[in-house]
Amino acid sequence: AQKITQTQPGMFVQEKEAVTLDCTYDTSDPSYGLFWYKQPSSGEMIFLIYQGSYDQQNATEGRYSLNFQKARKSANLVISASQLGDSAMYFCAMRRDGAGSYQLTFGKGTKLSVIP
Amino acid sequence: EPEVTQTPSHQVTQMGQEVILRCVPISNHLYFYWYRQILGQKVEFLVSFYNNEISEKSEIFDDQFSVERPDGSNFTLKIRSTKLEDSAMYFCASTYEGRGSYEQYFGPGTRLTVT
Repeated sequence: AQKITQTQPGMFVQEKEAVTLDCTYDTSDPSYGLFWYKQPSSGEMIFLIYQGSYDQQNATEGRYSLNFQKARKSANLVISASQLGDSAMYFCAMRRDGAGSYQLTFGKGTKLSVIP
Repeated sequence: EPEVTQTPSHQVTQMGQEVILRCVPISNHLYFYWYRQILGQKVEFLVSFYNNEISEKSEIFDDQFSVERPDGSNFTLKIRSTKLEDSAMYFCASTYEGRGSYEQYFGPGTRLTVT
């Protein structure tokens, strides 16, 4: 079974600063995908970034980057130059790629608050 | 940009009543999912649907739940006899390909309140 752990229930960051949201995972599958989703107070789930377990390079999407350390089973999200609109819940999720239905397993989330 | 749509946005029902939550996935997507999120908690997988049948379901998805894709565009979740603990946000998601870098696109959710 897969498990995602997000140990930071809440984080504060000053506007324009960078912030790292932690995510560790546990799986016995050799092939998997790691995702980060943002959930603003309005409730929708917004895809941010994806990292495949066999990807050699860390994924980047604009101000988002994923610090993937496979040996440590961590997939931390780094947001550079934080903006007020980044205030939201952030969920790390994993997808098993070997077989099956490819559903996502989510962590409990981190609530990020950006301070002006 | 294509999007997943869900109706209604909010449903209030009495305990014991049946509810149907509706979703229209992105048109060329092949994998469909229902997730739920109890207020303040993490998102939990309920069921996945591929090739017109359930491919996997969680232990939450008991006999009170069912899914259908009746017409090739809609994807519905039915709860036969709602309980208070079914109160949650229900998300529909779809993706073109299960593996690889294909993300799951989530709908805006239906907030179900059981009284």
